[in-house]
Amino acid sequence: GESVGLHLPTLSVQEGDNSIINCAYSNSASDYFIWYKQESGKGPQFIIDIRSNMDKRQGQRVTVLLNKTVKHLSLQIAATQPGDSAVYFCAENGQGNTPLVFGKGTRLSVIA
Amino acid sequence: EPEVTQTPSHQVTQMGQEVILRCVPISNHLYFYWYRQILGQKVEFLVSFYNNEISEKSEIFDDQFSVERPDGSNFTLKIRSTKLEDSAMYFCASRLTGGNTEAFFGQGTRLTVV
Repeated sequence: GESVGLHLPTLSVQEGDNSIINCAYSNSASDYFIWYKQESGKGPQFIIDIRSNMDKRQGQRVTVLLNKTVKHLSLQIAATQPGDSAVYFCAENGQGNTPLVFGKGTRLSVIA
Repeated sequence: EPEVTQTPSHQVTQMGQEVILRCVPISNHLYFYWYRQILGQKVEFLVSFYNNEISEKSEIFDDQFSVERPDGSNFTLKIRSTKLEDSAMYFCASRLTGGNTEAFFGQGTRLTVV
């Protein structure tokens, strides 16, 4: 859902389960997307990226899916671990040398 | 592994005072950015910098803000007369190229205006 002020959407999962975090992006011309992880008091940390000519990309325990038709991006984390607890942001890049624009973020809480 | 470093980690300043936030981007990167994050909210773009000049800025980046690359390594953000609403985490980021590449972020400076 939407986040307003201090209220981020929160996803709670059991340790070992898979997590799916969703993001709706705004610019249909965006051609590059990144998922960042942000732990408390730290800067955003790169997880995985995808270009608009792809619809799926896999990393270690993470998969990003891109649906350009509905401007939707998702991050799947397999076998979620307590260390995965953080806020996750999607970021989009318009064409050319434009800055990354961040989405609203989702807080992932892993229950041990 | 190369990283973006920011100093100080925490800055407390009185309203109306000037502050300078400092960043050392990754050495071979060409594009530099400042972002802001108010507590609990999303990361907001402030300004991008390339070839010793501002390439893009947001509405937040008004006349009170300025950026500078005074030498070959540092990249600074100056707020001339701080307001209470400037209290936030400020992140510096750098990229090798201007698009389609990962942006590396520093650990941030927490600015508290009192």
